[in-house]
Amino acid sequence: DQQVKQNSPSLSVQEGRISILNCDYTNSMFDYFLWYKKYPAEGPTFLISISSIKDKNEDGRFTVFLNKSAKHLSLHIVPSQPGDSAVYFCAASYNDYKLSFGAGTTVTVRA
Amino acid sequence: DTEVTQTPKHLVMGMTNKKSLKCEQHMGHRAMYWYKQKAKKPPELMFVYSYEKLSINESVPSRFSPECPNSSLLNLHLHALQPEDSALYLCASSPRTGGGNEQYFGPGTRLTVT
Repeated sequence: DQQVKQNSPSLSVQEGRISILNCDYTNSMFDYFLWYKKYPAEGPTFLISISSIKDKNEDGRFTVFLNKSAKHLSLHIVPSQPGDSAVYFCAASYNDYKLSFGAGTTVTVRA
Repeated sequence: DTEVTQTPKHLVMGMTNKKSLKCEQHMGHRAMYWYKQKAKKPPELMFVYSYEKLSINESVPSRFSPECPNSSLLNLHLHALQPEDSALYLCASSPRTGGGNEQYFGPGTRLTVT
């Protein structure tokens, strides 16, 4: 049962423009959400997280938005850079160790 | 230092071999994890250690045997694996188990079972 869904398998964006990655979840118990970035043959790198008590968290070029009523979160990358080309995983947890991951979105930043 | 290290980077083993994967972190984290990741899939949790004790086994076959010798080290002992066990094996750590708890991943060991 896929509790975290990333419905867009891929995204292509021009360098300098905004990348918007979306993630939906079905479990209303989730209270913590994370985004990871993964290059081929490497482990996922933690990017940014948000608690369910917030609706926005910003860190440099990365902003995560949470809409609890819609069970939806998004990651905005502004401006997009070639080094941002990677697979991005959304993950969620509730009061325990277990991260439920989405299937990932492959981002390609075009020069 | 926010690094989790894993050795080896690559491992090829036969179905009758015994091998071990190693993971190390020096961030003082008290929770450590093993994940398995197949191509184009998200990581799948295998084991969780909390304060050096195995707290979660996600119904992993006994041919995978984890070990936590101390708070910085995590091993995964492999024996009699199957070709379908070929995957990227990721180690992660976090300050503790529990909510609001970022996990930091190592680079992984790419395992091929022949």
